[in-house]
Order: sequence, then C-alpha cells, then structure tokens
Amino acid sequence: AQTVTQSQPEMSVQEAETVTLSCTYDTSENNYYLFWYKQPPSRQMILVIRQEAYKQQNATENRFSVNFQKAAKSFSLKISDSQLGDTAMYFCAVFNNDMRFGAGTRLTVKP
Amino acid sequence: GAVVSQHPSWVICKSGTSVKIECRSLDFQATTMFWYRQFPKQSLMLMATSNEGSKATYEQGVEKDKFLINHASLTLSTLTVTSAHPEDSSFYICSANPLGGYYEQYFGPGTRLTVT
Repeated sequence: AQTVTQSQPEMSVQEAETVTLSCTYDTSENNYYLFWYKQPPSRQMILVIRQEAYKQQNATENRFSVNFQKAAKSFSLKISDSQLGDTAMYFCAVFNNDMRFGAGTRLTVKP
Repeated sequence: GAVVSQHPSWVICKSGTSVKIECRSLDFQATTMFWYRQFPKQSLMLMATSNEGSKATYEQGVEKDKFLINHASLTLSTLTVTSAHPEDSSFYICSANPLGGYYEQYFGPGTRLTVT
C-alpha cells in the first residue's frame, strides 16, 4: 500500500512570490503516478499537476512545477507568481490501482 | 468533458434511516469508481473501490454492511449509508476512472451528509 506524508500543515506566501510545498511518499511499486490536487472552499478537487514515475523530467503546468526525486521518494510542488486564487488546501497523492492522499497543506496567499 | 456529478449535494437525515448518494460520469464510461470520506479539515480517506458489475472492495475498517456500494452500470455508482448515526456525518466524494485511462481520476463535487 502507498503512504503519503505532507509535513507542512499550513503555509503562507505573499502575492507574486514563490512557495514550495513538500511531499514524500512510500510505495513498493515501480509503476505509479503522482499528483497534486487543490481543494478550494467549494471542496471540489482540482487537478494541479501530474507526474508519471517512469518519467525523469519534472512536470510543469504554467506557474506550477514539481521537483520529483524518485530515489528519495520526494515530490514537491512549486508555485510561482502566487495569486490570491491559489489559496486552498493542497493534497499530494500517489496512484497505483487506487489513490492515496497526504494530510494536506493549507496555503494562504496574502495580498 | 470528463464531468462527474453527485446527487444530492447536501442531505440531512435522522439517525437510523438510510440515505443513498449517487455518483455519475456524465460524458464518459467508468470502469472503476472510488468512494472517499473527508472529515472537516482532514484528508480524503479511501472507503472502497467499485467496479462495474462486481462487488466493491472495501478498505480495512470500513463496514461493508453499513456502506453499501452498487456499481450497476458504466456511468453510475451508488453509496448507501444504512442505519445512519451522527458519527457518519461527513463529506463523501466519489471519483471515476474512465475506460482506458488507468490513472486518470475525475472527482465529483462531493455530498455533505448530516445525520441528526
């Protein structure tokens, strides 16, 4: 079974600055997928970015990028040029047959 | 595309009654649907995996006789909370995995259940 650890319960960042959210995971599988999801107050889960474990190149999606260190089982999310709309809960997740989530990081972007 | 709906979005029921929550994939067929439970300020906890036409697989600690899951078609899965108790009050979220999309997950908007 997979486990996911997010060690930062809360983070804050000034608007337009950069912030990095940490995530480590554990899995015995070799083929898996990693995700970052955003959950705003509406509670709708929104996919932020996805990384296939077999790909060495770090995924990027506009202002969002990841630092994927497979050997260290680390998958951090970097948000550049933070915007007020980025304020939300962020969940790291690993998928292999099913999805397991970390405890989440509450990010607040301050004006 | 890839929209998942849940109905109802919010339900209040009395202790001892049963309530059914529907999860529908609106524009794709889903071989597998997942049900999660989320308590306030906590993460999503997987309750069960539902495959069309077969019995659901429940996570350890989830009572299968209490949380009945039926996946009767490729676009609909239902979760029935039987003999509801106040401690069953929670936010229930489903996700759907489309045909051919091994790791793709599309989440429903969730259902808030309050048991009085």
